[in-house]
Amino acid sequence: GAGVSQTPSNKVTEKGKYVELRCDPISGHTALYWYRQSLGQGPEFLIYFQGTGAADDSGLPNDRFFAVRPEGSVSTLKIQRTERGDSAVYLCASSLRGSNTGELFFGEGSRLTVL
Amino acid sequence: GIQVEQSPPDLILQEGANSTLRCNFSDSVNNLQWFHQNPWGQLINLFYIPSGTKQNGRLSATTVATERYSLLYISSSQTTDSGVYFCAVDPLGDYKLSFGAGTTVTVRA
Repeated sequence: GAGVSQTPSNKVTEKGKYVELRCDPISGHTALYWYRQSLGQGPEFLIYFQGTGAADDSGLPNDRFFAVRPEGSVSTLKIQRTERGDSAVYLCASSLRGSNTGELFFGEGSRLTVL
Repeated sequence: GIQVEQSPPDLILQEGANSTLRCNFSDSVNNLQWFHQNPWGQLINLFYIPSGTKQNGRLSATTVATERYSLLYISSSQTTDSGVYFCAVDPLGDYKLSFGAGTTVTVRA
């Protein structure tokens, strides 16, 4: 597609449930990022993929969060045993080679609400 | 980690007014981007500007990398310019953007 695509756009779940959020980056972009944005704040880094491997997962808040990118294109962010504090907008971004050499382009985000 | 400070935090403008938003950062950077987050939450790329000056219509930006700041100029503001403007930087030796807290701009008709 022309831009970064994220699904679902909205997800409402109950505390303790499992959630998957999907990101389809711009075609040809090797770098993929997940960010999280809470109300009234700037986006915060979660994880960065270069190709299929997670080059930096230092922003994942705890071991309930996991992300994969098995074929170097689409990525899935997985959240286990969701908590109310996980409620936020989860943003995916992609870049041709990485933000140290070029622009990041963001998707529209997946708004997660944990009841 | 790198500190990114944006000012002012909030800005209210009358339609047609000009304004300047500032971004200060605490370390040398590979990359600096300005984004506009519209009311629907979409982050729109405005400028990729690690140094120098760029212009795009009524918007322009200047980054003085040696002095660690960037400015975003909005001229002849319109109500559609409302939203949050974010500055984000990628420190040297790193490969991920760190965001400031944003400037919330409200343009009144």
